[in-house]
Amino acid sequence: QKEVEQDPGPLSVPEGAIVSLNCTYSNSAFQYFMWYRQYSRKGPELLMYTYSSGNKEDGRFTAQVDKSSKYISLFIRDSQPSDSATYLCAMTNSGGYNKLIFGAGTRLAVHP
Amino acid sequence: DGGITQSPKYLFRKEGQNVTLSCEQNLNHDAMYWYQQDPGQGLRLIYYSQIVNDFQKGDIAEGYSVSREKKESFPLTVTSAQKNPTAFYLCASSPLKALMNTEAFFGQGTRLTVV
Repeated sequence: QKEVEQDPGPLSVPEGAIVSLNCTYSNSAFQYFMWYRQYSRKGPELLMYTYSSGNKEDGRFTAQVDKSSKYISLFIRDSQPSDSATYLCAMTNSGGYNKLIFGAGTRLAVHP
Repeated sequence: DGGITQSPKYLFRKEGQNVTLSCEQNLNHDAMYWYQQDPGQGLRLIYYSQIVNDFQKGDIAEGYSVSREKKESFPLTVTSAQKNPTAFYLCASSPLKALMNTEAFFGQGTRLTVV
């Protein structure tokens, strides 16, 4: 069993929809949780970062962490065609990018 | 503009051949990383370096080698010992004592194909 599980999709939604992307994990020691967005044939870029449990909001994006359920989510409100990309969750129990564990990524397509 | 530059964008390797992927950064970051990305696998760490002339193996280092002779440069060599190297390779850098709210910057990647 992988340490981080993420549904690869693809997920196709109409413009304006609310999108929910999720990851589950098995290591209860994970404390840092990140979401990356990766456009086709590009490198990932950091979208959201949260420490421990709780919610974090940035514009149309909300990241949620439920450590009791070992479950994290990324919500995208009023989705736009420009949101079409692969979304990767990543997490670690300590600081340092050499310790990051990535999910497989979910491919999202937002159609007009 | 500051950033990470990977080259080439596409690379083809013949059986038994070694190839080298370039990664250069002008962000003055101490730490640099190489990841492999396969469809459905996420990113897996190959090697990382936190300081010049020092580097550590990641989760899938077998068949790969690196060097860190300059702070700005962290080339990755895919050796003939790596039997299935077809993948997308990503280089990243971050400040040495990066906390998780400090972004790691990724390059645009190199697509390697075995022919």
